[in-house]
Amino acid sequence: QAVLTQPSSLSASPGASASLTCTLRSGINVGTYRIYWYQQKPGSPPQYLLRYKSDSDKQQGSGVPSRFSGSKDASANAGILLISGLLSEDEADYYCMIWHISAWVFGGGTKLTVL
Amino acid sequence: EVQLVESGGGLVQPGGSLRLSCEASGFTFNTYIMNWVRQAPGKGLEWVSYISSSSSTIFYADSVKGRFTISRDNAKNSLYLQMNSLRAEDTAVYYCARAQSDGSSSPEYWGQGTLVTVSS
Repeated sequence: QAVLTQPSSLSASPGASASLTCTLRSGINVGTYRIYWYQQKPGSPPQYLLRYKSDSDKQQGSGVPSRFSGSKDASANAGILLISGLLSEDEADYYCMIWHISAWVFGGGTKLTVL
Repeated sequence: EVQLVESGGGLVQPGGSLRLSCEASGFTFNTYIMNWVRQAPGKGLEWVSYISSSSSTIFYADSVKGRFTISRDNAKNSLYLQMNSLRAEDTAVYYCARAQSDGSSSPEYWGQGTLVTVSS
């Protein structure tokens, strides 16, 4: 089982909100991790969006709109990237990441379609 | 403005070697942790390695341990990745990424990447 699991795809309408999940493998407690989020558009390198551990330990990437925010669902053992007021330009691949056993580990990514 | 420019990619036969470089500008290179991250064609991101500002701390992904060596030359504002015993599964775009300014090693700024193709 992968350390981080993301749904492969998600669709949402312009103006709506999208909630992208990043589920940690059983036995790895989401509460103890900073979860990092990246956005990647076709043909471009990833861009850092934000990190979230708790409301008192979070960071927004430089220039990243406040429409992008992080949270956690402890009951699901998952990190969440919430994108509100979706724009067509938000269509991209989104990756989560944690530091786990001396390595940065990425989720498989979620392709967000805005239509 | 942070700029990271990778070079050195290309076509190499299985078992061969390649050295990637990353030239940095727009920030004080010798104070930042640096990373290499790769992405196979049509696939997700895979972290490869990171090196501390003084080269005293280095980590590798299990998939490259013993075959790849990360290094840096702070006088030249440059990061390197020596890749030996290359395999088909090492085929990917390799990104150089600067870590965050708060001391975390997490990648923040990324270069455009250089493509490495391992094939006979």
